[in-house]
This record gives sequence, structure tokens and C-alpha cells, in this order.
Amino acid sequence: EVQLLESGGGLVQPGGSLRLSCAASGFTFSSDTMTWVRQAPGKGLEWVSSISGGGATTYYADSVKGRFTISRDNSRNTLYLQMNSLRAEDTALYHCARQYGAYWGQGTPVTVSS
Amino acid sequence: EIVLTQSPGTLSLSPGERATLSCRASQSLSNNFLAWYQKKPGLAPRLLIYGASIRATGIPDRFSGSGSGTDFTLTISRLEPEDFAVYYCQQYGSSSTFGGGTTVEIK
Repeated sequence: EVQLLESGGGLVQPGGSLRLSCAASGFTFSSDTMTWVRQAPGKGLEWVSSISGGGATTYYADSVKGRFTISRDNSRNTLYLQMNSLRAEDTALYHCARQYGAYWGQGTPVTVSS
Repeated sequence: EIVLTQSPGTLSLSPGERATLSCRASQSLSNNFLAWYQKKPGLAPRLLIYGASIRATGIPDRFSGSGSGTDFTLTISRLEPEDFAVYYCQQYGSSSTFGGGTTVEIK
């Protein structure tokens, strides 16, 4: 059974940083592209970033480019999202997903507020 | 960036009726890399369709996807009570984007 469990969310001040993690199990993690998607309160789904199976290729939404970094540790079956220079508009529930959305975790909430 | 425009914004229908949802891309999608998701409050999105027309594992056959290039459609042949939700389209392949969503509500 595919399982994705996000952690690391919380309350952070504007300009601060957070690192999200996503622990994966039930599939060959290193073979799959992995993705972060967020949903702000009352808004729709927004693709944030994706990373290839080996980690060599990454893609970012324009809204986070230069501030967020996606990475993975295939030895630990874990996906990461380093978020720097956080803004109020980054407040959202952050989901990790296998491939571009075949399976999803329940998400970890991030609130950026002073 | 490829922009996806979903229409209508809201669809008000009764159980048993047919739902037709549209997703239009700002440029042609290579390999028809277009997916559809169902989203309910408090739950993670659920993949319904990928590759524009391939049903995901376990998805009932009342859900079907069609289209190519820039115009795509999700059809729910006969709405069940559990189908009332928000539906999103997504283009993928390298970068990705989601459409703004269509709410299917009970009339």
C-alpha cells in the first residue's frame, strides 16, 4: 500500500524558513518523480515543485522559484521542501504526491504570520 | 507557463444527471498529459483520469475523460451522491499547473 506522510509544517514569521518532509513507503521511491502541491485556505490546488527520481532534475512554480528548494534522499525514501523567505501568501496545506498526483499524503499545514 | 481554464465555475445538477466539465489549455499539451482530480473538504485529492482519457485504478466507469491538444472534457455519466465535489484538471510532464476548479453542487 502506498503511504505518504508529511511533517514539518507549523507557524512561522514572514521572512522565516521551514523544511517539510514526506516519508514514503509501499513503492520503489527512487523510480518515481515526486511533487509538492499546496492549497491555500479557500483556494484551489497549486503545483509547487517536482523532482525526478534520481534527483537531478527539478521544476518550480514561478511563485516559489528562488525561495523554495526540493530535494530527496532515496536511501531514506524521503522527500523534502526547504522553504525560505516565507510570505503570508505561502500559507497553505502542503501535500506531497507520487509522480504528479497518483497518490497523495494528507498534508502538513504551514502558516506564515507575525 | 501553461494556463488551464476550467468551465463552468459551478455546475448545479441533480443525482442521476450527466455532468460535463471543460478544461482548456493556453497551448497544446504534448502527449496529452492532462489529469483530472476530485477534491472533497478535509480529504486529499483523488486522481480520476490521467493521459486525458485513462481511468485511474478503482475509478468507476461513470467517469470518463476525452480531448486532445488544448480542449479536454471530464464527463460523469450519471451523478451519484458522492460525486458532488470540486474537480480540477492538471497538466504535467515537466512543470505543471492546475486549473481553477469546477464545483459540482446539488441542485
